[in-house]
Amino acid sequence: EAQVTQNPRYLITVTGKKLTVTCSQNMNHEYMSWYRQDPGLGLRQIYYSMNVEVTDKGDVPEGYKVSRKEKRNFPLILESPSPNQTSLYFCASSLLPSQGGKAFFGQGTRLTVV
Amino acid sequence: AQRVTQPEKLLSVFKGAPVELKCNYSYSGSPELFWYVQYSRQRLQLLLRHISRESIKGFTADLNKGETSFHLKKPFAQEEDSAMYYCALNTGNQFYFGTGTSLTVIP
Repeated sequence: EAQVTQNPRYLITVTGKKLTVTCSQNMNHEYMSWYRQDPGLGLRQIYYSMNVEVTDKGDVPEGYKVSRKEKRNFPLILESPSPNQTSLYFCASSLLPSQGGKAFFGQGTRLTVV
Repeated sequence: AQRVTQPEKLLSVFKGAPVELKCNYSYSGSPELFWYVQYSRQRLQLLLRHISRESIKGFTADLNKGETSFHLKKPFAQEEDSAMYYCALNTGNQFYFGTGTSLTVIP
């Protein structure tokens, strides 16, 4: 079954404690991206990747890092989380935009930073 | 620059009434447009895309290049339509999402 898997689903952490949210897809997609979803602000793109070792900033990259060492994985790293990063995070994968097609989303990770 | 605009953050309609969720985009090339839906506590999923010209769950959306719009419509709203709806644009280089419209269908 084609899917995007994020872990963990829920995470509560303290300010400053590094954390990683994993994202994995089994569709051999080249394009992967991270979004955060906040009430009234909708989906905002954090980072995206067009291929292995190719990553780029989205609209709200501050405080986040990503890596793309393998095609299937695209982890989101918060080196020093702060309370304003409390949000619902979604990972997505798809064909490249130039190839068209729909995006597949993970089930979301609800992060709370206290 | 905002590429996709969804002017209504919240929309409430009564069951059986028509519903229209507005979406306007900003792109001078040939756009590929989508509507995604997010039911409570679930992941976003594709509802429909303009290329397919299909009707899913009674919803339709027509691309109007003159008005740069891709409004989502349904003639008779159902309670199970209550969800968050996102309009999305693919420019061929990047994907852009609107801020979403939360639809509530009142019984």
